[in-house]
Amino acid sequence: QQQVKQSPQSLIVQKGGISIINCAYENTAFDYFPWYQQFPGKGPALLIAIRPDVSEKKEGRFTISFNKSAKQFSLHIMDSQPGDSATYFCAASPNRSSNTGKLIFGQGTTLQVKP
Amino acid sequence: GAGVSQSPRYKVAKRGQDVALRCDPISGHVSLFWYQQALGQGPEFLTYFQNEAQLDKSGLPSDRFFAERPEGSVSTLKIQRTQQEDSAVYLCASSFSFDSPTNEKLFFGSGTQLSVL
Repeated sequence: QQQVKQSPQSLIVQKGGISIINCAYENTAFDYFPWYQQFPGKGPALLIAIRPDVSEKKEGRFTISFNKSAKQFSLHIMDSQPGDSATYFCAASPNRSSNTGKLIFGQGTTLQVKP
Repeated sequence: GAGVSQSPRYKVAKRGQDVALRCDPISGHVSLFWYQQALGQGPEFLTYFQNEAQLDKSGLPSDRFFAERPEGSVSTLKIQRTQQEDSAVYLCASSFSFDSPTNEKLFFGSGTQLSVL
């Protein structure tokens, strides 16, 4: 059962372009939505996260857009750079009152930024 | 170092062998998690500790998997009678306290890549 569905599986973008990765979730109990970046041979590292009380959050070149009614959220990478080439995972976590800390991850998107 | 440390980095086991994977979380981090990451997939939750208490082990795939954190710091994930389907990267993560909204960030180690032949 895939509770968090991520697309596309892979993405190629030119340097300076915008990278967009989408995720959809099913469980309305989710209330924390982070994005993680993973380089080969390394563990995932938190990029940016959002809660459902806001529709957008921006940190530098990274923006999360959140649509609660559609149960969808997306990551936008502005001015994409070759150093952004990595695998990106969206994730979701239930509300804190029932939370054991479990994150449900999407399947990942491999981003390649061409110079 | 200041990060989450996992050892060994690579482990090759023969089918049926027992293995033990170690995780040293960031000092002072209360919460500790184990995840399993198959090739080309996202991490999947295995188990969660708050200090020495194992609060959630719902993700452990079978009774061959066992995790402990006896003193609330270092944790060990043990897999008995390994099978080929156990081949994956096992990631450990820690956080100061997942109960706090300002401390939800998980810090992941680089993982242990387990290959069962």
